[in-house]
Amino acid sequence: KAGVTQTPRYLIKTRGQQVTLSCSPISGHRSVSWYQQTPGQGLQFLFEYFSETQRNKGNFPGRFSGRQFSNSRSEMNVSTLELGDSALYLCASSLAQSNTEAFFGQGTRLTVV
Amino acid sequence: AQSVTQPDIHITVSEGASLELRCNYSYGATPYLFWYVQSPGQGLQLLLKYFSGDTLVQGIKGFEAEFKRSQSSFNLRKPSVHWSDAAEYFCAVGPLTGNQFYFGTGTSLTVIP
Repeated sequence: KAGVTQTPRYLIKTRGQQVTLSCSPISGHRSVSWYQQTPGQGLQFLFEYFSETQRNKGNFPGRFSGRQFSNSRSEMNVSTLELGDSALYLCASSLAQSNTEAFFGQGTRLTVV
Repeated sequence: AQSVTQPDIHITVSEGASLELRCNYSYGATPYLFWYVQSPGQGLQLLLKYFSGDTLVQGIKGFEAEFKRSQSSFNLRKPSVHWSDAAEYFCAVGPLTGNQFYFGTGTSLTVIP
């Protein structure tokens, strides 16, 4: 059974640009969560989608957004990139609506220059 | 507020020695607790989880953890460390709402021959 797939693995963007990251969850999983990982802040929750609806959102500015499609694949978008957005973005896939373990993808390493 | 504390930023052990990584949590109810491991440039892999029942849980790769409600702790242990165990270890609590997890800041493990 395939794991969580995140694409691309690496990205380099310049300040002011926007970027879209993709996450394909484990087959049958309907919940997708996104996390930002930086050396200074650790792992911080961005948002979670379940059945195409955003259920929770972390404390990030509106430049960070996401969506989920009917096949459970999810995308997150960051607009007007800042240097501080450089991070590893991790996607986590869960089977059900709550109280389940999360399976993580390998992440997308975003570098903003 | 919910939080997870990993007091040790970095630990160095000799191969074959025992290991204990500390984790303390703050949560208003009986938490769901997890330990994840992250190798450089990779996503997070679940080592073990505690939902309820037996407070000593066994995980993959020979790891175990003990939930102690009185101490609000969920320490990770391994009797004999292997060089391949060198990685970053994260303790997490959740899901709090939906599938949102709170992570500790991580403990970096170095294994010396």
